[in-house]
Order: sequence, then structure tokens, then C-alpha cells
Amino acid sequence: EAAVTQSPRNKVTVTGGNVTLSCRQTNSHNYMYWYRQDTGHGLRLIHYSYGAGNLQIGDVPDGYKATRTTQEDFFLLLELASPSQTSLYFCASSDRWGHGDAEQFFGPGTRLTVL
Amino acid sequence: EQQVQQSPASLVLQEAENAELQCSFSIFTNQVQWFYQRPGGRLVSLLYNPSGTKQSGRLTSTTVIKERRSSLHISSSQITDSGTYLCAMENTNTGKLTFGDGTVLTVKP
Repeated sequence: EAAVTQSPRNKVTVTGGNVTLSCRQTNSHNYMYWYRQDTGHGLRLIHYSYGAGNLQIGDVPDGYKATRTTQEDFFLLLELASPSQTSLYFCASSDRWGHGDAEQFFGPGTRLTVL
Repeated sequence: EQQVQQSPASLVLQEAENAELQCSFSIFTNQVQWFYQRPGGRLVSLLYNPSGTKQSGRLTSTTVIKERRSSLHISSSQITDSGTYLCAMENTNTGKLTFGDGTVLTVKP
């Protein structure tokens, strides 16, 4: 099973603050994803990546940047955090995508609170 | 329009009863993945089921692609099965996963 880790696990910041969420996967997967999950809702895709240096826009990208520095590492950036970005953030990875053989494996999540 | 709909929204069972969770999707997909999540916890992949029937222990997933539906059967439920079950479908055109809102399962002793 893929190993996906996230840091920090919890983060509190103020409105207008700068936040970076980190994700690392150690199973040599090509594809990585950032999701947010809000109470009573399923997960929504923010950004994803096919590989180092690649970035694709997800379904709810406003207010978020992301960068994939290596095959292992994917970062989510909130440069001017707002209370609406208070959420539980998950990172995931998969070996393939769009081929009917793309099981995703998730990290433990980062709980972000913007005051 | 919500692309992935799950039912029921919540379900309460007595221990040892069976559960049947449903997932329907509005667009064509060739991949359905079922996940389990405790409140605020990590999503744990249960079954990855492109089509047909797939079993893992007490869990059985049946996906009928042409009817745009998938079900998850949990047999002989246990208290530790309590949590949220999410289904997700892969959009064949874009490859992205779209999640349903989940079914909250509570198993009582």
C-alpha cells in the first residue's frame, strides 16, 4: 500500500496569513492530488499533478496555489488565507490516472483553521 | 447537479446485521472506489471496482457501469464498522475523482 504523509497535522493561522501544507509519498506514484473536505460534504479536488513540475487545476482552485517539486513532494500554498479555507485537507497519490486502474491512496489529513 | 449520489445518508444497525449502501453517478465512469473514514480521519480504500463484483472479507462491491450504479454490502456488521463510507467515481474524460457525500453508518451493540 502507498505511504502518504502530510505535515503539519494541525495548523492555526489568521486571516491574510501565509500557509504551506506539505505532502510526501514514497511509492513512486506519478499522480498526486490535493482535496479539501468540509463538514457534511464529500471531498473536492483543489489541484493535482502528473509529475515533478506539472500542475493541473482541480474543481475548487480559487485561493490556492500548488507546486510539485519532486515525484515525492507536493505542496499546497495559501498566500492570503481566509476563514472560508478552514477545512480538512487531504493529499492522495495514485500510480495511473484515466486508465481504469488508478486506485488512490490518501494521507492522514491536515486540519487548518483560519481565524 | 450532484454527480455522485449516495444513499442512505445515514444508517443505524444492530451488530451482526447486514448493510447495503448505494452509489449512483450521473456521467459515465469506468472506475468506482469505495472508502471508509472515521470522523476527521484518513480515507481508507476499501474496494476498487471497475465493474462486476469484488469481495474483500465481509465487504462486497457490485458495480454495473452501464446502469451507472455501485453498491457496497457489509455482512455481519461489527461496532468497529461505524463511520462514514464514501464512494468516488473517475470521470472517464478527465480522470478526476468525484466523491459522494457519504453514508454515515452506526452499528450498535
